[in-house]
Amino acid sequence: GGIITQTPKFLIGQEGQKLTLKCQQNFNHDTMYWYRQDSGKGLRLIYYSITENDLQKGDLSEGYDASREKKSSFSLTVTSAQKNEMAVFLCASSIGTGGSTEVFFGKGTRLTVV
Amino acid sequence: GDSVTQKQGQVTLSEDDFLFINCTYSTTTYPTLFWYVQYPGQGPQLLLKVTTANNKGISRGFEATYDKGTTSFHLQKASVQESDSAVYFCALSSNTDKVVFGTGTRLQVSP
Repeated sequence: GGIITQTPKFLIGQEGQKLTLKCQQNFNHDTMYWYRQDSGKGLRLIYYSITENDLQKGDLSEGYDASREKKSSFSLTVTSAQKNEMAVFLCASSIGTGGSTEVFFGKGTRLTVV
Repeated sequence: GDSVTQKQGQVTLSEDDFLFINCTYSTTTYPTLFWYVQYPGQGPQLLLKVTTANNKGISRGFEATYDKGTTSFHLQKASVQESDSAVYFCALSSNTDKVVFGTGTRLQVSP
């Protein structure tokens, strides 16, 4: 089996700060995703990438940038942190994007903006 | 595009109660339907999946049935345990699009 590693596990930022979250996977999967999960809410797709150097916007891409320089890594940047923002950012990967493809998730990065 | 709807935001049960979580979906193609479970402090993980070929999935005492007529995909378990307390997401994947997740149902089981 494989694993998805997200760093850092906890991130505290200040209002207006630019923050970067990192994700590594060793499944050798082509597709990687970034989701945002707010307390008690569902999973909202921010960005996904179907291959190295590819980027596709999700439903919540405004205010974020992403980068897929290598097949195994996918980073997310919060371009300007919003005060009192609290959310968990989940990185995920899958072999492809359709059919019966299972999505594997990391444990998340918990963001708090003060 | 594809969509899934979970109207139950929270379900509260006692141990040994019957669990039923409803999910409805919309798609123009033949989907694969999933249930994911998220335990506290973890990312979601696959619980079971169902394709149009088999209509039913079973895993760890949970069962899901896919009903094409009502475009629904229910999750049920005969007797829940406190350890089943988690958030449950239904999800859909079609041949032409990425996976789509529901908003999740938080299950709280008291001893």
